[in-house]
Amino acid sequence: EVQLVESGGALVQPGGSLRLSCAASGFSFSNYAMSWVRQAPGKGLEWVADISAKADSTFYADSVEGRFTISRDNSKNTLYLQMSNLRAEDTAVYFCAKQQRLDGILYHDYWGQGTLVTGSS
Amino acid sequence: IQMTQSPSSLSASLGDRVTITCRASQNIDNYLNWYQQKPGKAPKLLIFAASSLQSGVPSRFSGSGSGTYFTLTISSLQPEDFAAYFCQQSYGTWTFGQGTKVE
Repeated sequence: EVQLVESGGALVQPGGSLRLSCAASGFSFSNYAMSWVRQAPGKGLEWVADISAKADSTFYADSVEGRFTISRDNSKNTLYLQMSNLRAEDTAVYFCAKQQRLDGILYHDYWGQGTLVTGSS
Repeated sequence: IQMTQSPSSLSASLGDRVTITCRASQNIDNYLNWYQQKPGKAPKLLIFAASSLQSGVPSRFSGSGSGTYFTLTISSLQPEDFAAYFCQQSYGTWTFGQGTKVE
């Protein structure tokens, strides 16, 4: 059974830093690209960042470029999101999601339960 | 690529046929996925590639469309289907529709 379990969410002051983790199990983690997606309270879903299976490529939403860093440790089956210079508008539940590709079409076939990050003074 | 869903919410009864629409701001071929999300839970994949049903998803869910216009249909609404639904495009950088709440 595929499981993705996020951790690390907390209340952080604006300008602060935080590292989120996502522990993966039930699939060959090192073979799949992964994503972070967030959801502000009562709002829709917003893609944050992607990382390739071998960690040789990363991509970021404009809203977090230069402040967030996605990484992974395939030996530990764990995905990370290092967040710095946090703003109030970064307040959201952060989900990690596994990517799947079929006939060239990408989608997220499994998601974690999310971890809440609150940026507030 | 902007994704526009309609309606933002709808009221329906058990057994109703429900259709949700998603429009893309440019052609995205069939790079369109649908997710269901219940309060406090993670999104769940329903449909990928516009019309392919994810394994384990009931057959009352179906998707159609290509290019810029897509629909998600629930043929006969069940109690467990009251939830929010999001479309997502993967033609360019991932973007989501704003969601449709089925009440």
